[in-house]
Amino acid sequence: GESVGLHLPTLSVQEGDNSIINCAYSNSASDYFIWYKQESGKGPQFIIDIRSNMDKRQGQRVTVLLNKTVKHLSLQIAATQPGDSAVYFCAEIPNTGGFKTIFGAGTRLFVKA
Amino acid sequence: NAGVTQTPKFRILKIGQSMTLQCTQDMNHNYMYWYRQDPGMGLKLIYYSVGAGITDKGEVPNGYNVSRSTTEDFPLRLELAAPSQTSVYFCASSSLGAASTDTQYFGPGTRLTVL
Repeated sequence: GESVGLHLPTLSVQEGDNSIINCAYSNSASDYFIWYKQESGKGPQFIIDIRSNMDKRQGQRVTVLLNKTVKHLSLQIAATQPGDSAVYFCAEIPNTGGFKTIFGAGTRLFVKA
Repeated sequence: NAGVTQTPKFRILKIGQSMTLQCTQDMNHNYMYWYRQDPGMGLKLIYYSVGAGITDKGEVPNGYNVSRSTTEDFPLRLELAAPSQTSVYFCASSSLGAASTDTQYFGPGTRLTVL
């Protein structure tokens, strides 16, 4: 079975409800943030991104909110579906140059039918 | 496009053995990366490459080596496998590099166990 993310924080929601997944980032110099979705047995997949000069960005059924004051990022999924069940993690890219993307440990989302 | 492909999907090694994890991308991306993902942890960068012939260390390079002879291929070599290298390994590629707004495309991963 899948051992990645075995001890991750877990969010369980009912199908059709909205989901909110939170992430506290570490580097105040980060100016670019990405949310990834990782399904069991697969590699991470890009969902949505946001730059630090924005507070909110919307995609299809997903919205990312950025609060730079408290270094907090959230991912909102509207009308959550069983196919949304996965591990979600945020990534921050500091504006210090180089290739250091800092990945969070992730949150496992369970969608109950 | 197949995207980023990795082989093998699973491997069990004995302590001290060596192996090469293969990674190939068909998107003509210049930037390629190797990460490891331990249970309950975020991805850790092992090595990266900004183009053919150019590689550099990431956050956790010890015990690994890489080469980039072509744009498409970025193999990761483990010379003397240790139990601490038990992990899931992901290869990724991008067209502009992590410092830009470009996203990284990940392969399906290689699950390695060292006993």
